[in-house]
Amino acid sequence: GENVEQHPSTLSVQEGDSAVIKCTYSDSASNYFPWYKQELGKGPQLIIDIRSNVGEKKDQRIAVTLNKTAKHFSLHITETQPEDSAVYFCAASNGNNRLAFGKGNQVVVIP
Amino acid sequence: DSGVTQTPKHLITATGQRVTLRCSPRSGDLSVYWYQQSLDQGLQFLIQYYNGEERAKGNILERFSAQQFPDLHSELNLSSLELGDSALYFCASSAHRAETQYFGPGTRLLVL
Repeated sequence: GENVEQHPSTLSVQEGDSAVIKCTYSDSASNYFPWYKQELGKGPQLIIDIRSNVGEKKDQRIAVTLNKTAKHFSLHITETQPEDSAVYFCAASNGNNRLAFGKGNQVVVIP
Repeated sequence: DSGVTQTPKHLITATGQRVTLRCSPRSGDLSVYWYQQSLDQGLQFLIQYYNGEERAKGNILERFSAQQFPDLHSELNLSSLELGDSALYFCASSAHRAETQYFGPGTRLLVL
């Protein structure tokens, strides 16, 4: 089955700086890649997703890039704010609606 | 708020017991998914139901079962509970033919 890996496991950034989280996947048939943000005591919240026919997608301060050849995709958060502190999960699906998740990245924004 | 609701929020029980977790999907969503989140395994897909029928199975134990009712709410039944079943259990839903899944707030299960 699909194997998704995330790096780094923990990321600390100064408020206002950018944060980048990278994920790799193993199944070349995967074609859907969502990112979720999970705050303490809450469920994962979808923040952005990308499909394999697109190389990049942006939504305000958040962007996702996809490199199908290298089988990796990245989450970019610009102008980080304290409320961006959370655990971020990447996931991949090959169209069967089963999401395979990475282990998550703890992002800490230092005021 | 994703629109997916789950009850109860917290559940404490003993080994060997049986519990039922409940999920109501977003209005109009036909698919329901169950995930288990633990510290060592991360988020693991358990099972999917679509309009009342089982659609896909993941790493779900035989002691666990689920169903989706005509009103589209779903229940996850966990029996013969073990200490290792302590985890967060999330339900997610998606619209017909849609990949985007929206998660509920989860049920935290503690088995003592």
